[in-house]
Amino acid sequence: ETGVTQTPRHLVMGMTNKKSLKCEQHLGHNAMYWYKQSAKKPLELMFVYNFKEQTENNSVPSRFSPECPNSSHLFLHLHTLQPEDSALYLCASSHPPRTGENTIYFGEGSWLTVV
Amino acid sequence: SQQGEEDPQALSIQEGENATMNCSYKTSINNLQWYRQNSGRGLVHLILIRSNEREKHSGRLRVTLDTSKKSSSLLITASRAADTASYFCATDGLLRDDKIIFGKGTRLHILP
Repeated sequence: ETGVTQTPRHLVMGMTNKKSLKCEQHLGHNAMYWYKQSAKKPLELMFVYNFKEQTENNSVPSRFSPECPNSSHLFLHLHTLQPEDSALYLCASSHPPRTGENTIYFGEGSWLTVV
Repeated sequence: SQQGEEDPQALSIQEGENATMNCSYKTSINNLQWYRQNSGRGLVHLILIRSNEREKHSGRLRVTLDTSKKSSSLLITASRAADTASYFCATDGLLRDDKIIFGKGTRLHILP
């Protein structure tokens, strides 16, 4: 138990579906992240939120839409995805960057398969 | 980009042997971290070494950092089957806009 909880753990969706991934952290952190991990590729940073404000969008297609209603919750809304979007999506949290306490705590991930 | 790159990409050793993984990066850093990932799970933080440190220990883990060569190594002593996982280095750059960047990882397989 890392203090970062992701749901669902597994998701299969069609290309025309709309679904959401949810992340919740109980660590008192103010920075939250979405990463994408595909086979044989480096971990890709998608979005960063600091104190609920989006501070990083790493050229992510608009079919991925993040939402951060508060510092403890982070969502990734998915719509009209492509099969190549199938991957493990990892949520993470940390103290804000540049505070000297930048260990990142990851959730267990959500396995997404787009059919 | 200050992205770290691990070497080797994959490593298989006998249980009880020591495993050494290396990480090279391109730009100056504040610190370097090592993470571990069991198959299909999230990453777990192992150890952080600051740019002014040269060596750090944690249990069976030993991390070194050579800032002149922009490289780090992770040594796991007396390996166990449970050490089978992927290991990633992550670097935190000096610039204000720098993000923590993960390498591609080393897949370690401990043979019984």
